[in-house]
Amino acid sequence: DAMVIQNPRYQVTQFGKPVTLSCSQTLNHNVMYWYQQKSSQAPKLLFHYYDKDFNNEADTPDNFQSRRPNTSFCFLDIRSPGLGDAAMYLCATSRDGPSASTDTQYFGPGTRLTVL
Amino acid sequence: GQNIDQPTEMTATEGAIVQINCTYQTSGFNGLFWYQQHAGEAPTFLSYNVLDGLEEKGRFSSFLSRSKGYSYLLLKELQMKDSASYLCASYDSNYQLIWGAGTKLIIKP
Repeated sequence: DAMVIQNPRYQVTQFGKPVTLSCSQTLNHNVMYWYQQKSSQAPKLLFHYYDKDFNNEADTPDNFQSRRPNTSFCFLDIRSPGLGDAAMYLCATSRDGPSASTDTQYFGPGTRLTVL
Repeated sequence: GQNIDQPTEMTATEGAIVQINCTYQTSGFNGLFWYQQHAGEAPTFLSYNVLDGLEEKGRFSSFLSRSKGYSYLLLKELQMKDSASYLCASYDSNYQLIWGAGTKLIIKP
């Protein structure tokens, strides 16, 4: 089955220790998104890639970086995690990107990050 | 500013019908999505509306009124597995997806 996969599902890191979350997709979609979602809040878009084109949201902290080495994989790097970065991190993909009005985003299962 | 409003929490009984409302204020409009999110899991796509009216998909239906900036998700024959959060999200004129905080639906036997 075509899908969006995130690893690990649960990640524990220490304050200030860099951490990388990974996402892969078998949908062959052009766009990959990273969201941060805290409890009972809406998902917050951090950035997205349209193919190799990186688009950063204006209010995404510099502490968050992303890499997309190929169509299938996308990584979220948190350089120095703080306690406030503890959240669920969701990866999503869409076929055509934001310019296509009917473009639906499909989500991976998420990675729950705990910062000690 | 851009905003999506939906109730924080709703309670309904198994077998009943529930309507979850969503109002949106976005700069332009390019469609509205409903997603279901079970606790600790990722959102899953339920429906997309871009034209006024009701779209029915099995037990779930979604309605849109663009003139009123209003949508609702209607869930019929509620089952315990429908207990989840339901998120409303809308594309603005820049095709940025604006999300609501979600409505937590609690189903009681």
